[in-house]
Amino acid sequence: GENVEQHPSTLSVQEGDSAVIKCTYSDSASNYFPWYKQELGKGPQLIIDIRSNVGEKKDQRIAVTLNKTAKHFSLHITETQPEDSAVYFCAASYSNQGGKLIFGQGTELSVKP
Amino acid sequence: GEEVAQTPKHLVRGEGQKAKLYCAPIKGHSYVFWYQQVLKNEFKFLISFQNENVFDETGMPKERFSAKCLPNSPCSLEIQATKLEDSAVYFCASSLTSGTTGNTIYFGEGSWLTVV
Repeated sequence: GENVEQHPSTLSVQEGDSAVIKCTYSDSASNYFPWYKQELGKGPQLIIDIRSNVGEKKDQRIAVTLNKTAKHFSLHITETQPEDSAVYFCAASYSNQGGKLIFGQGTELSVKP
Repeated sequence: GEEVAQTPKHLVRGEGQKAKLYCAPIKGHSYVFWYQQVLKNEFKFLISFQNENVFDETGMPKERFSAKCLPNSPCSLEIQATKLEDSAVYFCASSLTSGTTGNTIYFGEGSWLTVV
């Protein structure tokens, strides 16, 4: 089955710097890659996603890149702000299996003012 | 509704008691998923439904855990004879359709189960 590895497990940056979180997946059939932000005591909130027919997607300060050949995808946050502090999870799914998400281990991002 | 609604937010059960959690998916969504998250760690998939039918139950513990999605009722996840290791946050999620172009899955705020 699918396995998703996420790095780093913790990341501390200064406000205004960029943050990058990386994930690798094992199943080449996976075709959908969302990123979720989870704040303390809350459910995961989708922040951006990418499908396998696209190499890059950007939404304001957030971007995701996908390398299907290497089975890597990454989250890039620019001009970080203290409110970006949270745990970020990547995930992969194969839509023809009902879209079940396989999650990475999470990255705790801390943005210091 | 416009969000996945989960109840209760918190539930405390003595070891061996039953726990039942409820989930109302976003209106019009045909897929429902249950995940377990222990100690803010990664999410463990439990089960998914396509409407009222079980779609994938590969993550469900064979004993003590059961789930249903009946027409015109909230979906439910039931744990019989809870154990200490069942303490976790249980998330429900829903999506419009799986489809060949992928799906967007929306999560509820979770139900925090503590077994004492």
